[in-house]
Amino acid sequence: SQQGEEDPQALSIQEGENATMNCSYKTSINNLQWYRQNSGRGLVHLILIRSNEREKHSGRLRVTLDTSKKSSSLLITASRAADTASYFCATDRGSNYKLTFGKGTLLTVNP
Amino acid sequence: EADIYQTPRYLVIGTGKKITLECSQTMGHDKMYWYQQDPGMELHLIHYSYGVNSTEKGDLSSESTVSRIRTEHFPLTLESARPSHTSQYLCASSIGTGNNQPQHFGDGTRLSIL
Repeated sequence: SQQGEEDPQALSIQEGENATMNCSYKTSINNLQWYRQNSGRGLVHLILIRSNEREKHSGRLRVTLDTSKKSSSLLITASRAADTASYFCATDRGSNYKLTFGKGTLLTVNP
Repeated sequence: EADIYQTPRYLVIGTGKKITLECSQTMGHDKMYWYQQDPGMELHLIHYSYGVNSTEKGDLSSESTVSRIRTEHFPLTLESARPSHTSQYLCASSIGTGNNQPQHFGDGTRLSIL
């Protein structure tokens, strides 16, 4: 069954604004990860949040995790044109090393 | 940036040809993965390996096969390419200890079968 589902599917903002993307999942997890994919490239790992954490920061990124609602959000503050990319959440499947990816949010930051 | 390399980046080839997509990593990671991704869509796991001589099929049924003879090398082979195989193929690796580890991706091979 589909795990991560991102919302919205597409988001267009102006440079300097904040961007928020949401991810919902269905089964229990050990951790949730966020990745970025620039057009025509592979995915780049951004941040990992464990199931016992509620919030994590990395530079301009802030991730929250609500395991009771099975949801996570990724906030990018003071966005830049270079942040234009697709953003995917990925959930683990318990004790193995496989990840399930959502369909992603396409973020466009206009200069 | 992670040291994981995929070749070729782009391949346009006719139906019925045998194709091998190469993936190599220099990080000594035990775990390696192949994903299939159509434009604007999610990644689907098609193969994975937990180490040398270990390969397993993923979630999405695929006519491709993989091998893992060396830690650093995880090639994917299509014996007879068909138009339905047209897609982007992404290779990834992760360190072997603990399941709270990120995956490192190559830039993918965009495959078009005519």
